[in-house]
Amino acid sequence: GENVEQHPSTLSVQEGDSAVIKCTYSDSASNYFPWYKQELGKRPQLIIDIRSNVGEKKDQRIAVTLNKTAKHFSLHITETQPEDSAVYFCAARTGTASKLTFGTGTRLQVTL
Amino acid sequence: EAGVTQFPSHSVIEKGQTVTLRCDPISGHDNLYWYRRVMGKEIKFLLHFVKESKQDESGMPNNRFLAERTGGTYSTLKVQPAELEDSGVYFCASSKGAVDEKLFFGSGTQLSVL
Repeated sequence: GENVEQHPSTLSVQEGDSAVIKCTYSDSASNYFPWYKQELGKRPQLIIDIRSNVGEKKDQRIAVTLNKTAKHFSLHITETQPEDSAVYFCAARTGTASKLTFGTGTRLQVTL
Repeated sequence: EAGVTQFPSHSVIEKGQTVTLRCDPISGHDNLYWYRRVMGKEIKFLLHFVKESKQDESGMPNNRFLAERTGGTYSTLKVQPAELEDSGVYFCASSKGAVDEKLFFGSGTQLSVL
């Protein structure tokens, strides 16, 4: 089955700096890659997603890139703000399956 | 529009006891999923309902876990008898369709088995 690895497990950046979180997946048939943000005590919320026919997608300060050949995808957050502090999860979905396989999460801390 | 709701938010039980978690998906969402996160690890798939039918239960750890979705509305996940390793956060999620549909999560139930 699919396996998703996520790095780093923790990331601390200063306000205004950029943050990058990287994920790799094992199944070349995976075709959908969402990113979820979970703030303390709250539900995981979808912040951006990308499909395998697209190499990059951007939404304001966040962007996701996908390299199908290398089987990795990354989340980029620019001009970080304290409210970006949260746990971020990457995930992959394979072919026509409906379930998501998640990474282990990255705890992002944005310091003032 | 109400989101996915889960009850209870926290549950503390002793080993050997029974616990039942409940999930109410977003109205109109036929697809309902259960996931679990054990501390520090990935959010792991447990099972998937389409309406009242179990579509995929490949992630259920063992027969101490029983999920139901009578009438295709809310779902329950029962753990009986609970073991220490069952501790974690149990998430429910729903989507309108299955493939190519965004998944919406509930806030989770934090289960602690002592």
